[in-house]
Amino acid sequence: KQEVTQIPAALSVPEGENLVLNCSFTDSAIYNLQWFRQDPGKGLTSLLLIQSSQREQTSGRLNASLDKSSGRSTLYIAASQPGDSATYLCAGGSEKLVFGKGTKLTVNP
Amino acid sequence: GAVVSQHPSWVICKSGTSVKIECRSLDFQATTMFWYRQFPKQSLMLMATSNEGSKATYEQGVEKDKFLINHASLTLSTLTVTSVHPEDSSFYICSATRQGRVNSPLHFGNGTRLTVT
Repeated sequence: KQEVTQIPAALSVPEGENLVLNCSFTDSAIYNLQWFRQDPGKGLTSLLLIQSSQREQTSGRLNASLDKSSGRSTLYIAASQPGDSATYLCAGGSEKLVFGKGTKLTVNP
Repeated sequence: GAVVSQHPSWVICKSGTSVKIECRSLDFQATTMFWYRQFPKQSLMLMATSNEGSKATYEQGVEKDKFLINHASLTLSTLTVTSVHPEDSSFYICSATRQGRVNSPLHFGNGTRLTVT
């Protein structure tokens, strides 16, 4: 059974700092790994999707990596901004996506 | 970009009533939609997979007679929570993926906050 863990549960950083969010999964037989952003009381916005055959994806200030052998993915956010404050969720799976509990990020101006 | 619309965004109802939540894919066809539930500070938990034109597939522990799912078209799935109780209060979110695209990303609705009094 796939389990997804995200560390840390919460993170507070000053504006402009580069940061890394971690995601680990127990079953390496995943089709893809997806990172989402969730604002309070809102749905999820897809940020990056990494196919199982890929090692990383980039979009603007975001870079996500995937290491299936170690069961890990990281989301790198460069030059963080207050608008980046949200909960970041990773999800992976084969037939079904399994979500982590998320990392609540606060970027202080 | 792909858009998934979910309605209503919030609802307050009394115990024993039923609530219907709609999930629409606005600019793409979705043969499969997913319904999740999220309790405070918890991860999203998949409740069921909604398949157009056939019965939904429910996850273990989810009562199919309580959470009725109808996926009547390629752009609409509905979740009806029947005979609600306070413990059904939660955040319900739907998602959809484009028809025919392998490993395409999931697109989510904005969720429905259900509060049962």
